[in-house]
Amino acid sequence: QVQLRESGPRLVKPSETLSLTCTVSGGSVSSGSYFWSWIRQPPGKGLEWIGYMYHGGKTTYNPSLKSRVTISVDSSKNQFSLRLTSVTPADTAVYYCARDVDSGIDWFFWGQGTLVTVSS
Amino acid sequence: QSVLTQPPSASGTPGQRVTMSCSTSSSNIGFNFVFWYQQLPGAAPKLLIYKNNLRPSGVPDRFSGSKSGSSASLAISGLRSEDEADYYCAAWDGSLTNVLFGGGTKLTVL
Repeated sequence: QVQLRESGPRLVKPSETLSLTCTVSGGSVSSGSYFWSWIRQPPGKGLEWIGYMYHGGKTTYNPSLKSRVTISVDSSKNQFSLRLTSVTPADTAVYYCARDVDSGIDWFFWGQGTLVTVSS
Repeated sequence: QSVLTQPPSASGTPGQRVTMSCSTSSSNIGFNFVFWYQQLPGAAPKLLIYKNNLRPSGVPDRFSGSKSGSSASLAISGLRSEDEADYYCAAWDGSLTNVLFGGGTKLTVL
């Protein structure tokens, strides 16, 4: 069974870079068949898609975040990562990593989520 | 940018059938699949419906999805207290370069 787990700093200062890692077990992040996604949820609010990586390294990002987001893969560690630059308090959210089954956004596999707070 | 619109709340009593909608003013999304997610308090979302009306393994057949044009619906029959959750629809935009979520519907089981 595929399992995902997010990790990274829980507190980030404004204007700095948020960096999170999703460690994958039970499957290979190098598989070109799947879409590896990041999704976030501000406290008390709805879900927002951040972006995904697919086909071994191609990426697509939410246009509203595109200038600040990078998703990358570390195949040797079976991980994929999220970098979000120039953060503000509006970036405070629970960040989830997820993987699809076969339709790109049929996210069947999710991490437990990690709350990242942007504050000085 | 297109928006997926969901009613903020819905409610029903145990055993009842409840439906919730997901609509868009963009005709482009009408050509794309809709996905539904259930989010229990404090938990990650769970895939309920994919490709408009298909259920992943493990999802009870009390949950069903449908789509017509630029609107989609999620129906829950035989409502149970454990169905009390937030429900989100999701779809690609017309260019398949952005993924949109509805604002979510909070379902209360009375």
